[in-house]
Amino acid sequence: GAVVSQHPSRVICKSGTSVKIECRSLDFQATTMFWYRQFPKQSLMLMATSNEGSKATYEQGVEKDKFLINHASLTLSTLTVTSAHPEDSSFYICSARTGGVGTEAFFGQGTRLTVV
Amino acid sequence: TQLLEQSPQFLSIQEGENLTVYCNSSSVFSSLQWYRQEPGEGPVLLVTVVTGGEVKKLKRLTFQFGDARKDSSLHITAAQPGDTGLYLCAGDQPGGFKTIFGAGTRLFVKA
Repeated sequence: GAVVSQHPSRVICKSGTSVKIECRSLDFQATTMFWYRQFPKQSLMLMATSNEGSKATYEQGVEKDKFLINHASLTLSTLTVTSAHPEDSSFYICSARTGGVGTEAFFGQGTRLTVV
Repeated sequence: TQLLEQSPQFLSIQEGENLTVYCNSSSVFSSLQWYRQEPGEGPVLLVTVVTGGEVKKLKRLTFQFGDARKDSSLHITAAQPGDTGLYLCAGDQPGGFKTIFGAGTRLFVKA
């Protein structure tokens, strides 16, 4: 299947700092990528849909100024957690589709963020 | 808001037993996917079902999509310790592009 690479896999940062997470589609172009958040022993919650060349679409309850998403190219989307706090500690996962509606979504390996 | 209800949420069984995981919704989905996730990793796609009534088999795993495309099931025959993991169903909204996930079923197979 297609490969989606996420970096870093783990990051520890201090409260108040910002952290950037990258999501790359390695062998295909992705006009749309998705960002999820997963708490321990829970399922994936969709945070936002990242669209290449336009603004991201955020799910209800997700602060767009807190979680900045940039999709500057067809192979790269970034999620920046701004002014991080301990409650932002979580597992963040991105996914990308190989095509339009009905095509499969492939997931990155996830990023474990710990804010101390 | 479409919801995918997944059951059971936790299952602990002995090696060799069979099990079924269910994924239900009151809404129609254009397709449903089943994923397996290991701790600290992203979900890995197992199968996608698209046609109502469709049945797909992957070795000891059998996936079924309901006739009305509102529900799906995953049946594992003769479970093995290597099947231990979090199983997630996910669905695409009709005409949409977003994938939403069920709560997940955490399976533990004891040797």
